[in-house]
Amino acid sequence: AQKITQTQPGMFVQEKEAVTLDCTYDTSDQSYGLFWYKQPSSGEMIFLIYQGSYDEQNATEGRYSLNFQKARKSANLVISASQLGDSAMYFCAMRENPRVEYGNKLVFGAGTILRVKS
Amino acid sequence: KAGVTQTPRYLIKTRGQQVTLSCSPISGHRSVSWYQQTPGQGLQFLFEYFSETQRNKGNFPGRFSGRQFSNSRSEMNVSTLELGDSALYLCASSLEQGNPASPLHFGNGTRLTVT
Repeated sequence: AQKITQTQPGMFVQEKEAVTLDCTYDTSDQSYGLFWYKQPSSGEMIFLIYQGSYDEQNATEGRYSLNFQKARKSANLVISASQLGDSAMYFCAMRENPRVEYGNKLVFGAGTILRVKS
Repeated sequence: KAGVTQTPRYLIKTRGQQVTLSCSPISGHRSVSWYQQTPGQGLQFLFEYFSETQRNKGNFPGRFSGRQFSNSRSEMNVSTLELGDSALYLCASSLEQGNPASPLHFGNGTRLTVT
């Protein structure tokens, strides 16, 4: 079964600096998708970035980039130029076997709380 | 475009009661999934519906059930509530099935407290 591990329960970063949130995964599938979500205190899960297992380049979305190392089974999120509004819980997630019949189930890691200091 | 809407935002129920949570997906999305989030267990998949059919189910007891209507709105029901059912229940919708890059879009959740 797929598993996501986020080893950093909490992180602090100074405003305007970059921060890396770690994510490792375990799967026997060759085809899979990796996602990062942000959850502010309001509770809503906000989609940040996606990386496919066959994507040759690391995904980027604005200040977010994904450091994808397939051989090491890691998909770390890098947030550049941190802002106070980045303070939230961050979840790494994997889509289990993205074939039609398996639907859209995501397996989530435990999350990392990020606090941005001014 | 309106996002995923969950109602109510907060619920307080007593052990043994039942509860129904509602979710309206983003317009055009036919897949609706439900997740339970607790401090101890994290985010756990409950079930997914696509075109009114349950396509996938997580490891939860039969007290947890759901359904999807023809307009893709979904409801989740929990019967015989237990204290351990206290959680944030998140609903998510998705546009495409079988597209690995298609993200789930989540609502704000319903926070259920069982006393």
